[in-house]
Amino acid sequence: AQTVTQSQPEMSVQEAETVTLSCTYDTSESNYYLFWYKQPPSRQMILVIRQEAYKQQNATENRFSVNFQKAAKSFSLKISDSQLGDTAMYFCALHNAGNMLTFGGGTRLMVKP
Amino acid sequence: ETGVTQTPRHLVMGMTNKKSLKCEQHLGHNAMYWYKQSAKKPLELMFVYNFKEQTENNSVPSRFSPECPNSSHLFLHLHTLQPEDSALYLCASRPARTNTQYFGPGTRLTVL
Repeated sequence: AQTVTQSQPEMSVQEAETVTLSCTYDTSESNYYLFWYKQPPSRQMILVIRQEAYKQQNATENRFSVNFQKAAKSFSLKISDSQLGDTAMYFCALHNAGNMLTFGGGTRLMVKP
Repeated sequence: ETGVTQTPRHLVMGMTNKKSLKCEQHLGHNAMYWYKQSAKKPLELMFVYNFKEQTENNSVPSRFSPECPNSSHLFLHLHTLQPEDSALYLCASRPARTNTQYFGPGTRLTVL
């Protein structure tokens, strides 16, 4: 069985500052993918960024980047220059060979003006 | 917008009612999923369909009955639900040969 843990239920950050959301996971598979999804108050789950486990280079999408530490099974999300529109629930997810996603419990991020 | 739509967006039903949730995508994706999102719990995978064939039933009670008539449509038929079934039900779809799932906006279900 695989698990995903997000240890920060809630976080806040000032607009324009940087924030890092933590995620740890456990899996017995060697080939897997990791995702961060964002769910704003409108409830639509939106893909933020993805990382292939076999790639050492950390994924980056504009203001969003990850710190992937495979040996430590850690996959944190860094949001730079935070914007009010970044306020949302953020979910870390692990995709296995069975084409199923296992989600963490989520981190509620509040960006303050 | 991800291109995955769900109807209705809100649904209130009694425990003796029968209702259906609908999910639709015209993105050419071949896999579709139902998830349940309850307050203070991680998303729970309910069902997976791949090329219209059910490939996963995550120990879901029989009062939830999925139907996938084609690769563009997915239904979740509901009957004799319990109040604890109140939740946000999310549909997702995935293109072939990728592992990125795209989610719909969800149906907020309240069982009275």
